[in-house]
Amino acid sequence: EIVLTQSPGTLSLSPGERATLSCRASQSISSSYLAWYQQKPGQAPRLLIHAASSRATGIPDRFSGRGSGTDFTLTISRLEPEDFAVYYCQQCGSSLTFGGGTKVEIK
Amino acid sequence: QLQLQESGPGLVKPSETLSLTCTVSDGSITSNSYYWGWIRQPPGKGLEWIGSIYYDGSTFYNPSLESRVTISADTSKNHFSLNLSSVTAADTAVYYCARNMRFLEWLSYFDYWGQGTLITVSS
Repeated sequence: EIVLTQSPGTLSLSPGERATLSCRASQSISSSYLAWYQQKPGQAPRLLIHAASSRATGIPDRFSGRGSGTDFTLTISRLEPEDFAVYYCQQCGSSLTFGGGTKVEIK
Repeated sequence: QLQLQESGPGLVKPSETLSLTCTVSDGSITSNSYYWGWIRQPPGKGLEWIGSIYYDGSTFYNPSLESRVTISADTSKNHFSLNLSSVTAADTAVYYCARNMRFLEWLSYFDYWGQGTLITVSS
């Protein structure tokens, strides 16, 4: 099973700041099989990025993803108030697993 | 716009079988572009994939749950279902159904999700 480790566990930032979230895989995966989700309290996750860097429909361009092999990054260029949430990465290169999540909270 | 809705009892007794159905609206589960999946989230914790099904009945399961999970599809009713046997308190979670993109005849990302339903395992 491929384990995804997300860091940091919590990111404390102010609106307007840049957020950089990391997702590290225990073994190499194709970038085609890496996705990112946003989840707000009481809501289902929302797809942000698939294939490591492709934004899902309707996702603002302040969200961007990159990476390959075992290291992937989600960047939010300038945090808006609605971006404070928990973010998960997901892989399906081998079975299907999610990372443990990164909480982006207001500083 | 595609909609998914989970339904089932909110409370299940230990050792019994948890059964949930996901009804899909404004879209067909017989599309050859998608699988249909179940994901769960224990209170305050992260996401765990349970399994996914293709409309022809082929299934993929999380190895850690495979011995207790059965996912089936009813194309005439445009819904798919989850059975999880021998439940314990550790199975208490919000259960989501979701559309699972199919890429090169394999699983991919989830692009549409149901709202989720809390299932509590307790006597």
